[in-house]
Order: sequence, then structure tokens, then C-alpha cells
Amino acid sequence: GAVVSQHPSWVICKSGTSVKIECRSLDFQATTMFWYRQFPKQSLMLMATSNEGSKATYEQGVEKDKFLINHASLTLSTLTVTSAHPEDSSFYICSKQVLETQYFGPGTRLLVL
Amino acid sequence: GQNIDQPTEMTATEGAIVQINCTYQTSGFNGLFWYQQHAGEAPTFLSYNVLDGLEEKGRFSSFLSRSKGYSYLLLKELQMKDSASYLCAVRSSGGSYIPTFGRGTSLIVHP
Repeated sequence: GAVVSQHPSWVICKSGTSVKIECRSLDFQATTMFWYRQFPKQSLMLMATSNEGSKATYEQGVEKDKFLINHASLTLSTLTVTSAHPEDSSFYICSKQVLETQYFGPGTRLLVL
Repeated sequence: GQNIDQPTEMTATEGAIVQINCTYQTSGFNGLFWYQQHAGEAPTFLSYNVLDGLEEKGRFSSFLSRSKGYSYLLLKELQMKDSASYLCAVRSSGGSYIPTFGRGTSLIVHP
């Protein structure tokens, strides 16, 4: 399968601060990557599709000004949670698609105090 | 839209066989995936079915019936390490090629 890394693996921050999460494709280039969020005992919810060199496509209900996505290179996409609040605490996972299959990064656990 | 239904939780004994069912409703079907997710970790790919029938891969098998909107994941010779959440995901033929995930089935394997 494909290799995707994420950094950091977990982060604790104060309410109101911004947090940046990096997602890297380590084997093949990825013009498209995906960002998911998962709350405890809930399913993976797609937040946005990250497109290299162009704007991200956000799912309905996801605030694009709050969750900033940058895909400046073929191997790196970043998600910045701006002005984080406790309700943003969640497990954030990125993925890329190879042929038919989504391959996920290890995830980033965010806790906002 | 899509509607994916799978049991919330199942328990089984080490060495046994367990079948995890998934039913779905979608406007146009274009593939079904099973993923395994251990607590605190990201999902890992298990199987992909797009045609009817059984796909076997070691101790894990996945079955699909498109006419019934039904799939199952069969785990044989259960091991303690199989305790995890198993996610069923369905991709529709129209619009986005990204699958929609079910809530997952938490499988607990006990000695």
C-alpha cells in the first residue's frame, strides 16, 4: 500500500490558538489528498479534498476559513485549524488515493483546552 | 446520498469465526471497502469488492451482493490482535469517487 505520514501525532493547545498539521506522501506524488475528522466512536467524516496548486474543495458544513488547507507541493498538504476551540478536539486523518483505495496517514489527535 | 448500516459492537472468542455485516443504500454503486482501525490509530485497508462474490485474503474474506445491498467481512481463527473497529465504506458511481464510511463495528476478541 501507499505510505502517508502525518505530523504531529498529537497536539494539545489553548483555546484560540492555531494548529498546523502536516500530511506527506512518502512514496508517490499526490496531486490530491484528503482530510478527515473522527470524533470518538464516530465514523470518519470527510472534511475536504486538497488539490495541489489550487483551492481545496470543502464538504458541506465545513468552514473553509477555519480549516485552512494548503497543498503547495506534490508531496505535502497542510491543515491549519485556526482559532481552535474545545469542540475542535478530534482525531484528524489525511489520506491519499491510489487506484481504487484510500491509504491513511497515522492521524493527529488534537486536544484543545 | 448513502446510508450504511453495521452493528455497533460484537464479541467473539479467540480461535473462533466472526461475520460482520454491512448493509447499504446508494443511488449508484461503485465499490465497497473494509478497513480495520485499532483504537487511536488510522484505518488500514483490508478489502475491496466491486463485483458479487467472495474475496478471500488469508484469514479475512469479504463478500458482496450488489442486488441485496449487502456485504460481510469474515474473520477466521480469531486472534486477540483482531480486536479493533471494522469500517465498511461504500463508493457511489455518481459525483465524488471518495467512499462514505459507516460508523464501524467494534469487535472484541476475548480468550
